Amino acid sequence: NAGVTQTPKFQVLKTGQSMTLQCAQDMNHEYMSWYRQDPGMGLRLIHYSVGAGITDQGEVPNGYNVSRSTTEDFPLRLLSAAPSQTSVYFCASSSWQGDTQYFGPGTRLTVL
Amino acid sequence: KNEVEQSPQNLTAQEGEFITINCSYSVGISALHWLQQHPGGGIVSLFMLSSGKKKHGRLIATINIQEKHSSLHITASHPRDSAVYICAVQAGNKLTFGGGTRVLVKP
Repeated sequence: NAGVTQTPKFQVLKTGQSMTLQCAQDMNHEYMSWYRQDPGMGLRLIHYSVGAGITDQGEVPNGYNVSRSTTEDFPLRLLSAAPSQTSVYFCASSSWQGDTQYFGPGTRLTVL
Repeated sequence: KNEVEQSPQNLTAQEGEFITINCSYSVGISALHWLQQHPGGGIVSLFMLSSGKKKHGRLIATINIQEKHSSLHITASHPRDSAVYICAVQAGNKLTFGGGTRVLVKP
């Protein structure tokens, strides 16, 4: 099993550009989530999904969209990148929301 | 006040010492997670607790639901234990994280 994979590992964007961070898992997990990690802030939940076709907002959803068309994939879209979105993004999955969390390796995003 | 507070924020220990990291939370939870983040950035789940105590190798995690408090202990610490340790509480579908404790174990 590859576990949770994220692409790209690094990305630099200009203000106003859009992009999609990819996340995939091969463990047939129902629960997937996106977090951002900023210095001094800890990890914060952006969006999450409890199954294909079902998504909901977390603590800091503004400026981000998600969809869950398959169990395996949970992409995060930045609609119009802003410098405040410079962060490290982690995707995670678990078999259910209270179970062990498996994290992807992270994507380091810089918005200029 | 943050929902999840960890202490200390930073900790330096000599190899072999016993280490304790504390986590206090203010909301009702269904589970508490302890995670480890290595200097390379990867995050690994260490424990998930809903009551009592769990042990894995030199790591021990305890939780007191009534006091809303959990501790992570590292026995016989080793330089490879140097990492950031993160407490997270599960309430409904959401995880809320503490700010992390940066641990440095010197040889």
